[in-house]
Amino acid sequence: DAMVIQNPRYQVTQFGKPVTLSCSQTLNHNVMYWYQQKSSQAPKLLFHYYDKDFNNEADTPDNFQSRRPNTSFCFLDIRSPGLGDAAMYLCATNPRGGQGGPGGANVLTFGAGSRLTVL
Amino acid sequence: GEDVEQSLFLSVREGDSSVINCTYTDSSSTYLYWYKQEPGAGLQLLTYIFSNMDMKQDQRLTVLLNKKDKHLSLRIADTQTGDSAIYFCAESIGGSYIPTFGRGTSLIVHP
Repeated sequence: DAMVIQNPRYQVTQFGKPVTLSCSQTLNHNVMYWYQQKSSQAPKLLFHYYDKDFNNEADTPDNFQSRRPNTSFCFLDIRSPGLGDAAMYLCATNPRGGQGGPGGANVLTFGAGSRLTVL
Repeated sequence: GEDVEQSLFLSVREGDSSVINCTYTDSSSTYLYWYKQEPGAGLQLLTYIFSNMDMKQDQRLTVLLNKKDKHLSLRIADTQTGDSAIYFCAESIGGSYIPTFGRGTSLIVHP
């Protein structure tokens, strides 16, 4: 089945030790997003790619970087994780930005998430 | 205030109906969505409604949209323990492909 796969599902790191989370998709969707999700909070968009075009949210810390080497893969790099970066990180895709799926809705397909723990 | 607001918790008895409510602020919202998140998993689309509709029904799910009051609700008939999850309301405006999510409502179904 076509899907969005995130690895690892669980990542434990030490304070300040770099971490890379990966996302792969077999849907051939143009748009890929990275969200940070903390308990009882709305998923917070960190950045997204529309094809190769990178779009950073204004309030995303410089500590967070992303790479999209090809359509299928996208990576989230956290250069120096702090305790406040412990969260679930969600990758999502969207077939066509602005025109979306059936009827024009922008339906996102999410991966299962990567849970980051910082010690 | 937040763009999309939801209450954080809802507790219902198995077999009863659940109604999860959401309010949004932008009257130009084009599509409104309900996503479900089960423990340890990502968000999964349940249903969505276009802004020119008042109601959409899909099996046990009924979505009601009141554009005047900017209010969206999700009714789950005959709620089962498997419906226990967090339900997120989201909106997208015009041609934007960046939806705005609410904080999610945690639905607890007890026997």
